[in-house]
Amino acid sequence: DAKTTQPPSMDCAEGRAANLPCNHSTISGNEYVYWYRQIHSQGPQYIIHGLKNNETNEMASLIITEDRKSSTLILPHATLRDTAVYYCIVRPSGSARQLTFGSGTQLTVLP
Amino acid sequence: GAVVSQHPSWVICKSGTSVKIECRSLDFQATTMFWYRQFPKQSLMLMATSNEGSKATYEQGVEKDKFLINHASLTLSTLTVTSAHPEDSSFYICSATMDRAREKLFFGSGTQLSVL
Repeated sequence: DAKTTQPPSMDCAEGRAANLPCNHSTISGNEYVYWYRQIHSQGPQYIIHGLKNNETNEMASLIITEDRKSSTLILPHATLRDTAVYYCIVRPSGSARQLTFGSGTQLTVLP
Repeated sequence: GAVVSQHPSWVICKSGTSVKIECRSLDFQATTMFWYRQFPKQSLMLMATSNEGSKATYEQGVEKDKFLINHASLTLSTLTVTSAHPEDSSFYICSATMDRAREKLFFGSGTQLSVL
């Protein structure tokens, strides 16, 4: 699976948008971009995923560049409860394969 | 969304004893489940892939005789840490994928194991 690169940590003011970047320059054509987050001492929580089009759901928006080599997860109005480690993962679609976690980005939402 | 239930949430045991962790998919069938381990301040590391009705596939460096995995039904997988030692203390997390929608993996809430 393609490797991803994320900044180790970011801060965001409560109520502001949090923009978390991810580089995946070796992504293959059949690989989706997934975002999960892990709040301390809990299991990872699915946020969103996409192939090449931008995606939006009730939690976040995912912006994927046209060449698919990078993406940005946007939390439109961050709250203190969004403080977590955010993982960007690429994985082939349609297979029962595991997710391979990198080190992620520790997002801290400040009051 | 789909729910994966993991039990217990935390367990403390004496060195040399065995501990069983259960992972259930509550509202979907999961042919495949995955077991991860996470040490403090580290990322999740895949331990094994559990397939219903067949033997689990273990990642390199994970002892299959120490970490026994049973996936006897489409909704239940168990991980047994046999003869646990303090170095086995970790956060264990299971995940499952829905057969009909394999794009998503859903995770349990994790089990914190502390071996004294």
